Amino acid sequence: NAGVTQTPKFRILKIGQSMTLQCTQDMNHNYMYWYRQDPGMGLKLIYYSVGAGITDKGEVPNGYNVSRSTTEDFPLRLELAAPSQTSVYFCASSHLGAGELFFGEGSRLTVL
Amino acid sequence: AQKITQTQPGMFVQEKEAVTLDCTYDTSDPSYGLFWYKQPSSGEMIFLIYQGSYDQQNATEGRYSLNFQKARKSANLVISASQLGDSAMYFCAMREGPGGSYIPTFGRGTSLIVHP
Repeated sequence: NAGVTQTPKFRILKIGQSMTLQCTQDMNHNYMYWYRQDPGMGLKLIYYSVGAGITDKGEVPNGYNVSRSTTEDFPLRLELAAPSQTSVYFCASSHLGAGELFFGEGSRLTVL
Repeated sequence: AQKITQTQPGMFVQEKEAVTLDCTYDTSDPSYGLFWYKQPSSGEMIFLIYQGSYDQQNATEGRYSLNFQKARKSANLVISASQLGDSAMYFCAMREGPGGSYIPTFGRGTSLIVHP
């Protein structure tokens, strides 16, 4: 009963370092999303995917990259980390474009 | 312009009383869905309730109900008989139909504190 699994849960990066947040879902959902959550700002969409091989930018894509080689996996890549990328990141998935989003537990990233 | 507006940064309610959390939305798409999520201090996002734009009746899930007023573009969450465990952040979200690519947009959230 895994649902959406994100790793790591916590990470501290130095400015300029790179890393990948992993996201896997076992519900065979077509749609997957990456959001970031900053205090008082709600969730902002970084990237999304409507199926394997298809990705598109959300509201705040700068500084991030994604890929979707399989239905299950949707990793988020941070290149050249900056303090502005300090945030909590959520991966989510949904069945096609309907129904609720199923969220991972979140990944708290700090860039110093 | 914001698509989802939650005007109450914080709300306080006495245990066992009802509370209404406000949400207004902006869309020109006739097909859309409205969601509410709860985020307790532990951080996870918990789905509470869903209302489709074509649904004739207001959605209910246990103590949660969604007061859907389509003409006013509002989708307020009503929590009846508040419990201490209801203290959390609450987010309203909207997913627009084909024109919006079915991508959910979230409001900034309302922090609810339930007093004993």
